[in-house]
Amino acid sequence: DGGITQSPKYLFRKEGQNVTLSCEQNLNHDAMYWYRQDPGQGLRLIYYSQIVNDFQKGDIAEGYSVSREKKESFPLTVTSAQKNPTAFYLCASSWDRVTDTQYFGPGTRLTVL
Amino acid sequence: KQEVTQIPAALSVPEGENLVLNCSFTDSAIYNLQWFRQDPGKGLTSLLLIQSSQREQTSGRLNASLDKSSGRSTLYIAASQPGDSATYLCAVLGADGLTFGKGTHLIIQP
Repeated sequence: DGGITQSPKYLFRKEGQNVTLSCEQNLNHDAMYWYRQDPGQGLRLIYYSQIVNDFQKGDIAEGYSVSREKKESFPLTVTSAQKNPTAFYLCASSWDRVTDTQYFGPGTRLTVL
Repeated sequence: KQEVTQIPAALSVPEGENLVLNCSFTDSAIYNLQWFRQDPGKGLTSLLLIQSSQREQTSGRLNASLDKSSGRSTLYIAASQPGDSATYLCAVLGADGLTFGKGTHLIIQP
């Protein structure tokens, strides 16, 4: 059963804490992405990776970090430097960044208490 | 920088009606355009993808058109059903990556 999984579905964080959101795909896709979605807003790109051990900043990378040590995994860390981290986070993957459709995971809702 | 606008922001229609959702974009130098569906609290599901060289794509009751020169796309939904209720997102892929509109929140009244 191929697809993209994200965990956890809901995450609560205290101010000042770092948290890591998991994203795993078994589609054998080279490219992976992290987006943030706020109510009434379109998706905004945080980071993307086109190949293992390489990643690039998106439009709103400040306060976030990623790693791409394995093709299947692209975890996102929300650091304490992120001023307003409460949002819905979506992970996606595709064969390549230019020509292929992106396939999305179910999302993680992060709430800062 | 690419900007994508979707009109209307929200739409409520009785079941059975045909309807059109609109998407416009500012930079016509795109690779493709996609329409996605998002249910509340869920991820995105790709509905249709139109390559820049194509004019339209069809899937079941859905038809999407693309006029790249004028920076416009429409998503036509025929014979709407309550199960079509969701938010519909338009996204264009260009050199800057995938740029999304804010979506149209669609409610189909039974």
